[in-house]
Parts: sequence; C-alpha cells; structure tokens
Amino acid sequence: SYELTQPFSVSVALGQTARITCGGHNIGSKNVHWYQQKPGQAPVLVIYKDSSRPSGIPERISGSNSVNTATLIISRAQAGDEADYYCQVWDISADVVFGGGTKLTVL
Amino acid sequence: EVQLVESGGGLVQPGGSLRLSCAVSGFTFSNYWMTWLRQAPGKGLEWLANIKQDGSDKYYVESVRGRFTISRDNARNSLYLQMNGLRAGDTAVYYCARDRDGDFWFDLWGQGTLVTVSS
Repeated sequence: SYELTQPFSVSVALGQTARITCGGHNIGSKNVHWYQQKPGQAPVLVIYKDSSRPSGIPERISGSNSVNTATLIISRAQAGDEADYYCQVWDISADVVFGGGTKLTVL
Repeated sequence: EVQLVESGGGLVQPGGSLRLSCAVSGFTFSNYWMTWLRQAPGKGLEWLANIKQDGSDKYYVESVRGRFTISRDNARNSLYLQMNGLRAGDTAVYYCARDRDGDFWFDLWGQGTLVTVSS
C-alpha cells in the first residue's frame, strides 16, 4: 500500500503565505494533485501534476514536489482560502490515494 | 455550462441496494474516463471506481470490488454506480468526477449525493 501524510491543520495570517505539505515515500517520482474543499461543497481541483493550475485558479496558488514531500503554496492568503485541502496520487500498488486532508485557517 | 449532477442517494437498510446516477452536460462525455468517489461524514476522500470511455475497462478499490458496479451510457451522457450488499460503513456522500486524461486525477466534480445505510 501507499500512504500520504498531511498535517491535520495549518494556520496562516491574512496576506501571508501558507504551505501545506504532503509526505509520501518517493513522492517526487509521482504526479501529485491537490483539491480544495469548502464546507458543504464538492472538492475543486486547484493543482494538477505537481504544479499546473487549472483555468480559473489564481497564480498565488502553486505547487512543488521533490523527493518525499509535495507542497501546496498559497500566497497572500485570503479569508476565502479557508478550506480543507487534499493531496492525491496514483500508485501502482494502491491505485488512487488521498492524503487525510489539511484544514487551512486564515487568521 | 459544464455540469455533473448525481442522483439516487437516500436511506437504505444494511444489505440493501441502491443505484446512483450522474448526468453529465457541457462536455463530450464519451471522450473521458469517469470516476466515482465518496466521503464519509467528517472524513476524507476515497476513490471507488473508474471506467474507460467505451466502458471496456473498469477498476475498483478493494473495499467495494464485487459489491459495486460502475457503468456508463454514452448515448445518455450518464454514469452509474450499482451498489449491492450495502453496509453501515458505506454511508457517505458519493461524487462522480471526470478523469481529465485517464491518469487518475479529477478536474470536474458533481455536487454529491448522500447515501445513508442504517436500519
């Protein structure tokens, strides 16, 4: 099996930069995708294949992936960024794997 | 406008069956792999199954293999999930989603339909 580890929660001051990590063995060799989910809503794809943004996602949301950690970076954090964030990969031994999710709080 | 609209959720007794539907509009349904995922109350996301464009290939997570069946009708732009032998642990919001390029990432999601398994 394959596991992805995310911090349960991350806090960031308004206007500052939030970093949400996703740990996994050799995750740097995989494509990592990130989803944002606000309360009562369906997930929304915000980053695909490590660092690509779907249309409509602002440039202040970015991603990176190296060795054993992928990171979602939210610059100039806004109140509207408060949400749960999930990382996801595909692994040959485990199919689709999601991280446990990180609750982002903007202070 | 792109839309994925799930339906068919509800309350079902343990051991019962339910068929979920996902009506798609706004893109060429037959060009894409499609997927079902779920989210138990207060929990994270879980991938369940996906199906190739022509329905010839299907993949399932171990926990539902043999109980759930994914299918599609390209003429009706619809995706389905037949769920048999339901258990309390299957209680969740069920989402359909589009697999963007067959590489198991999901760029469009429906709003979800709640399935509650309880006596």
